Amino acid sequence: AQSVAQPEDQVNVAEGNPLTVKCTYSVSGNPYLFWYVQYPNRGLQFLLKYITGDNLVKGSYGFEAEFNKSQTSFHLKKPSALVSDSALYFCAVRDPLWNDMRFGAGTRLTVKP
Amino acid sequence: NAGVTQTPKFQVLKTGQSMTLQCAQDMNHNSMYWYRQDPGMGLRLIYYSASEGTTDKGEVPNGYNVSRLNKREFSLRLESAAPSQTSVYFCASGTSGGSSTDTQYFGPGTRLTVL
Repeated sequence: AQSVAQPEDQVNVAEGNPLTVKCTYSVSGNPYLFWYVQYPNRGLQFLLKYITGDNLVKGSYGFEAEFNKSQTSFHLKKPSALVSDSALYFCAVRDPLWNDMRFGAGTRLTVKP
Repeated sequence: NAGVTQTPKFQVLKTGQSMTLQCAQDMNHNSMYWYRQDPGMGLRLIYYSASEGTTDKGEVPNGYNVSRLNKREFSLRLESAAPSQTSVYFCASGTSGGSSTDTQYFGPGTRLTVL
């Protein structure tokens, strides 16, 4: 079965600095990978996904993620962090052979002014 | 266009009580999902419905039942609530018919406490 790991519970960055939120995955075949963001007391919002093609995927709010097959990673990045980016970020993986999606435990991003 | 709506927002139950969580979407999506979110564990899939008239178990289905009432509505029922079911429950709908490339859109959640 597929699984996903987010090795950092918490990431702190200063406003204006680049940010990275890490994600690694395990699937039996080619993965479909997703990033979602959750603001306090809200549901998850879709940011971006990798299905196939270019390894660098661009998404909402200036976020991007790079698919690295050899390292089985799909790290979320943004060149210049904003205070409003502070939220809980979830990586998710879907194995094409299965219908369910597996989520990581989440990484809390805090951007300080 | 409200997206995905869930009722109620909050609920407190006693052990053994039953209740139904309601979910509706107005995006004409085929697939719908129920997840639970527990601290430090991310989201875990309880049940999903790839299309109207079909339902399948997810990762943690025990203690729950679902009904896909029509294309818009997907309800989750707890027949006999247990403290282990204290969680935040999210409903989601998907742009494809449960296919692997499905982008999911989430409701605001229901915070359930079982005493």
